Amino acid sequence: EIVLTQSPGTLSLSPGERATLSCRASQSVSSNYLAWYQQKPGQAPRLLIYGASSRATGIPDRFSGSGSGTDFTLTISRLEPEDFAVYYCQQYGNSITFGQGTRLEIK
Amino acid sequence: QLQLQESGPGLVKPSETLSLTCTVSGGSISSSGYYWSWIRQPPGKGLEYIGSIYYSGSAYYNPSLKSRVTISVPTSKNQFSLRLSSVTAADTAVYYCARRRDGYNPSDYWGQGTLVTVSS
Repeated sequence: EIVLTQSPGTLSLSPGERATLSCRASQSVSSNYLAWYQQKPGQAPRLLIYGASSRATGIPDRFSGSGSGTDFTLTISRLEPEDFAVYYCQQYGNSITFGQGTRLEIK
Repeated sequence: QLQLQESGPGLVKPSETLSLTCTVSGGSISSSGYYWSWIRQPPGKGLEYIGSIYYSGSAYYNPSLKSRVTISVPTSKNQFSLRLSSVTAADTAVYYCARRRDGYNPSDYWGQGTLVTVSS
């Protein structure tokens, strides 16, 4: 099983700042089959990024994904108030596993 | 617009079987090219993949749950179902159903989730 480790556990930032979230895999993620989801309280996860760097339909361009192999990053260029949530990475190239999440909170 | 809705008992006793149904609207579950999945999230914790099924009935399960899980597609209904046997308190979670495209793709449509509590 591929274990995904996200860091930091909690990130405290202000609106307008840049957020950088990390996801590290215990082994290489085949063909960069890595996705990022956003989850707000009481809601289902929302797909943001797939294939490590492709934005899902309707996702603003302030969200970007990068990385390959075992190290991946989600970047939010300028934080909007609605971006404060929990973010999960997921690999879907070898079964399906999720990271434990990064909580992005308002500073 | 595709919509998914989970339904089923909110309370299940330990050692019994948890049964949930996901009703799909705005699209056909029999359309080729899609897998229909179950994912769960214990309160305050992260997401865990349970398994997926193709419209033809071909299913894949998380190895850690495989011995207790059955996902099926009832005939003549636009639904798919989850059965999880021999439940314990550790199975208490919000259960989500979701859709993903065939091949290597993440889940793009999700239901709102339903909380199932395992308690006597």
